[in-house]
Amino acid sequence: GESVGLHLPTLSVQEGDNSIINCAYSNSASDYFIWYKQESGKGPQFIIDIRSNMDKRQGQRVTVLLNKTVKHLSLQIAATQPGDSAVYFCAENGEEAGGTSYGKLTFGQGTILTVHP
Amino acid sequence: GAVVSQHPSWVICKSGTSVKIECRSLDFQATTMFWYRQFPKQSLMLMATSNEGSKATYEQGVEKDKFLINHASLTLSTLTVTSAHPEDSSFYICSATYQGFEDEQYFGPGTRLTVT
Repeated sequence: GESVGLHLPTLSVQEGDNSIINCAYSNSASDYFIWYKQESGKGPQFIIDIRSNMDKRQGQRVTVLLNKTVKHLSLQIAATQPGDSAVYFCAENGEEAGGTSYGKLTFGQGTILTVHP
Repeated sequence: GAVVSQHPSWVICKSGTSVKIECRSLDFQATTMFWYRQFPKQSLMLMATSNEGSKATYEQGVEKDKFLINHASLTLSTLTVTSAHPEDSSFYICSATYQGFEDEQYFGPGTRLTVT
């Protein structure tokens, strides 16, 4: 079936650096993408989302970029802090509204971000 | 708002017994709830989708007779792992959405199940 994958399983950065986490997706019909942060032993925490009619969206210290041509998604974290250390997942929702599986998310493999003080 | 809780947060049970995990939406009515399983250092894998008042839809490869899902009200869904085995040990996470905002899934904190 369709899947969402990540290029890098681990990423180590120094505090204050900018971090970029990448994700490749294969379902060209996906129209909604989300980035989640998951700390050890906890559930996923929403970070930012983007719809397929956009190519960039910014939040507080985070930016998501979507390149539909190459089916690539990235999460940029500015001025990375030790508290940003976690596993980051991208997820896609490829189902159209009204479909039987609407709302189902497919998660990528995850990237472990480690921020060194 | 949009808080989802799970109970228990962790549970240890003996092989062959059954264990029930609850997922509650605390401040909204969840028309749809999702159950995920996550093994260590792996991603979340969707197990099933449940809509209030109807039977759950299971993903391919998930045994519906082993993982019983009940979504009896708009604020509660339960997952019962029947005849648990050590290989069922995992982190179980639920999420919920509400009508009109199905894109936005609100995740619970997860339940760590250990089967001995």
